[in-house]
Amino acid sequence: GENVEQHPSTLSVQEGDSAVIKCTYSDSASNYFPWYKQELGKRPQLIIDIRSNVGEKKDQRIAVTLNKTAKHFSLHITETQPEDSAVYFCAADGNKLVFGAGTILRVKS
Amino acid sequence: DAGVIQSPRHEVTEMGQEVTLRCKPISGHNSLFWYRQTMMRGLELLIYFNNNVPIDDSGMPEDRFSAKMPNASFSTLKIQPSEPRDSAVYFCASSLRVDYGYTFGSGTRLTVV
Repeated sequence: GENVEQHPSTLSVQEGDSAVIKCTYSDSASNYFPWYKQELGKRPQLIIDIRSNVGEKKDQRIAVTLNKTAKHFSLHITETQPEDSAVYFCAADGNKLVFGAGTILRVKS
Repeated sequence: DAGVIQSPRHEVTEMGQEVTLRCKPISGHNSLFWYRQTMMRGLELLIYFNNNVPIDDSGMPEDRFSAKMPNASFSTLKIQPSEPRDSAVYFCASSLRVDYGYTFGSGTRLTVV
């Protein structure tokens, strides 16, 4: 079955800097790659997703890139703000979503 | 739309008792998923349904866990008997189809003492 690895497990950046979180997946049949943000004590919420026929997608300060050949995808957050502090999960979907272990992002003001 | 609705929000029970968690998916969503979240194991998929039919229950830890979806607007996850190691946050999520964005409910925080 699908296996998703996510790095780093924790990431601390200064407000205004960029943050990058990377994930790799194992199942070449996976074709949908969402990213979720989870604030403390709350539900995971979808922030951006990408499908296998697209290499990059942007939404304001966040972007996701996908390299199907290498089976990895990344989340990029620019101009980070304190409210970006949360746990971020990547996931890959061949026939069901498998989540990475999560990255704790801390944005220091 | 009220989103995915789960109940109860918190449940504290004694070891050996039966626990039933409930979920109402978003109207029109054909896929429903039960996840368990712990610090040690992260987000684990327990079971998912497509058009009310269980498709994959390979994540259900053992026979003490069972899930049903009697109709398109309701699902239950039951643990009988419960054990302390079942303590976790249980999330229900729904989506239009399997390879589409999931909407999560607020979760049920289960504590078994």
